[in-house]
Amino acid sequence: DSGVTQTPKHLITATGQRVTLRCSPRSGDLSVYWYQQSLDQGLQFLIQYYNGEERAKGNILERFSAQQFPDLHSELNLSSLELGDSALYFCASSEQGTHTGELFFGEGSRLTVL
Amino acid sequence: AQKITQTQPGMFVQEKEAVTLDCTYDTSDPSYGLFWYKQPSSGEMIFLIYQGSYDQQNATEGRYSLNFQKARKSANLVISASHLGDSAMYFCAMREGPLNNNAGNMLTFGGGTRLMVKP
Repeated sequence: DSGVTQTPKHLITATGQRVTLRCSPRSGDLSVYWYQQSLDQGLQFLIQYYNGEERAKGNILERFSAQQFPDLHSELNLSSLELGDSALYFCASSEQGTHTGELFFGEGSRLTVL
Repeated sequence: AQKITQTQPGMFVQEKEAVTLDCTYDTSDPSYGLFWYKQPSSGEMIFLIYQGSYDQQNATEGRYSLNFQKARKSANLVISASHLGDSAMYFCAMREGPLNNNAGNMLTFGGGTRLMVKP
């Protein structure tokens, strides 16, 4: 157990809908990262927050948005969903004072768009 | 150009034998870190091993070792004495730039290698 909690674990929805994925980082971790993993693909970086502020942005679609709240949990909002958005969405956090910058991953939220 | 390249989409290894998973990277930054993660069929991402660009020795963690060849920009993962439980996807990843403890450090991942261990 990495200590990173993601909900829901599984989500099935229809095209055009909107969903929210939630992530609680490990206790004390200020950074939260979101990644998307499509079928049999590597992980694509979406966005990173540090202590409530956006720090880095990857190939995140305009239909997607995220935020990190004062209690450090984060939400990833996906709207106007398309079939191609079906993927495993990972949240990760990293430790303050780490020697490596290792990311600790949640178990992921598997989104299926029908 | 791809930042992280894993050229082996799939590999087989006999149980109890060693296997090497290839990873090459591309960066012009002198400071960086290289990681390997394992993703079993259950889906979670498990950190295996880390190598910093300035580390003089190759990293080792139990049965995992990292064959770091800086001039060739390669960071191959070696798994000794494979078990059936080693069957999984393996991802190489890079942190580009120095470690930033005040703002976090995103990682860039390769496409992965699926390792299958044969009994």
